[in-house]
Amino acid sequence: GAVVSQHPSRVICKSGTSVKIECRSLDFQATTMFWYRQFPKQSLMLMATSNEGSKATYEQGVEKDKFLINHASLTLSTLTVTSAHPEDSSFYICSVGQEETQYFGPGTRLLVL
Amino acid sequence: QKEVEQDPGPLSVPEGAIVSLNCTYSNSAFQYFMWYRQYSRKGPELLMYTYSSGNKEDGRFTAQVDKSSKYISLFIRDSQPSDSATYLCAMILNQAGTALIFGKGTTLSVSS
Repeated sequence: GAVVSQHPSRVICKSGTSVKIECRSLDFQATTMFWYRQFPKQSLMLMATSNEGSKATYEQGVEKDKFLINHASLTLSTLTVTSAHPEDSSFYICSVGQEETQYFGPGTRLLVL
Repeated sequence: QKEVEQDPGPLSVPEGAIVSLNCTYSNSAFQYFMWYRQYSRKGPELLMYTYSSGNKEDGRFTAQVDKSSKYISLFIRDSQPSDSATYLCAMILNQAGTALIFGKGTTLSVSS
């Protein structure tokens, strides 16, 4: 299956700052990538579907102006959390769509102070 | 009713036990079924991937799909402490690029 990396693995930032998380597909050209958020002891919540070269499709309740997604190439998608607040602290995970399944990155833990 | 139901557990078993994890779903249009394993603070890892009803075996793991009952299972034989993790079932319609629908995940603890 596809190998997916994320950077950084962990980030701590001050409230009001912006944080960028990168998701890379290392061995597969991904036309579709997904971004999820996971709170402690809960399942993954899909935030948005990112298609290369077009605008991301956001799930209901996810603010597109706060969570900026860019999928500029077939191997890289970025999620920028703008003006982060403590309630944005979470585990953010990306995945790459390959055929009818998905392969996940290792996740990025964001802590907003 | 949620699309995918999964008992969150926790489920505790001794080493060597056979573990049965299950999910039910409501949308008969689901075609592809997956089981992911997630260790704490890590991304989910794809364990098994099946299409249509039937069984699929991979080492100590067996995935079973019963589309008539809308029920899927994952069996783990000879369970090991390293199997302790959260197991998520997931399913998808028949279109690549469509989002996965996840169960809540079952937390499994295997004691030595």
